[in-house]
Amino acid sequence: AQSVAQPEDQVNVAEGNPLTVKCTYSVSGNPYLFWYVQYPNRGLQFLLKYITGDNLVKGSYGFEAEFNKSQTSFHLKKPSALVSDSALYFCAVRAPAGGKLIFGQGTELSVKP
Amino acid sequence: GAVVSQHPSWVICKSGTSVKIECRSLDFQATTMFWYRQFPKQSLMLMATSNEGSKATYEQGVEKDKFLINHASLTLSTLTVTSAHPEDSSFYICSARGGTSRGGDTQYFGPGTRLTVL
Repeated sequence: AQSVAQPEDQVNVAEGNPLTVKCTYSVSGNPYLFWYVQYPNRGLQFLLKYITGDNLVKGSYGFEAEFNKSQTSFHLKKPSALVSDSALYFCAVRAPAGGKLIFGQGTELSVKP
Repeated sequence: GAVVSQHPSWVICKSGTSVKIECRSLDFQATTMFWYRQFPKQSLMLMATSNEGSKATYEQGVEKDKFLINHASLTLSTLTVTSAHPEDSSFYICSARGGTSRGGDTQYFGPGTRLTVL
């Protein structure tokens, strides 16, 4: 069965510092991996995805994520955090054959000035 | 990226009434649409998946007679909450996935609808 884990409910970072939001997954076969961001009372915005190719994926707003097959991880990173990055971040996985997107429980990122 | 709209953004209704929420893919054809429910500070719970022209597939525990889903065209899906009760109050989010010409491996989400049942 597919599953996604985001081990941290909350991540606190000072503005200008690098940030990492962790995600590990379990899926049969090669995974399709996604990161989404949700601002209060809004839907989810797509940030980036890994389907195949380079393990380092660059996405919107300066975010990137690294696919690590041996560690079954897909951590989200940004070199320099902004206060406006404060939001709820979701990692998701889907099996390549299609079907449902499985979400992690979400990580609340708080960036303080 | 692709745009998905939802209407209304919020609705308040009396217990026992029905509420319809529309979801539209604005710049791509959505072969598959999804409806989610989200409680505060929690992850998304998939309610149902619908393919254009077919009956929706509901997740276990979701009452299909209560949450009616129609996906009549490649750009429009509707969710009708029938005989709404206060426990149906929630944030409902739709999502759409297109064909391969529009990055069909990616789901794009609407802005959500806040439903409050009095």
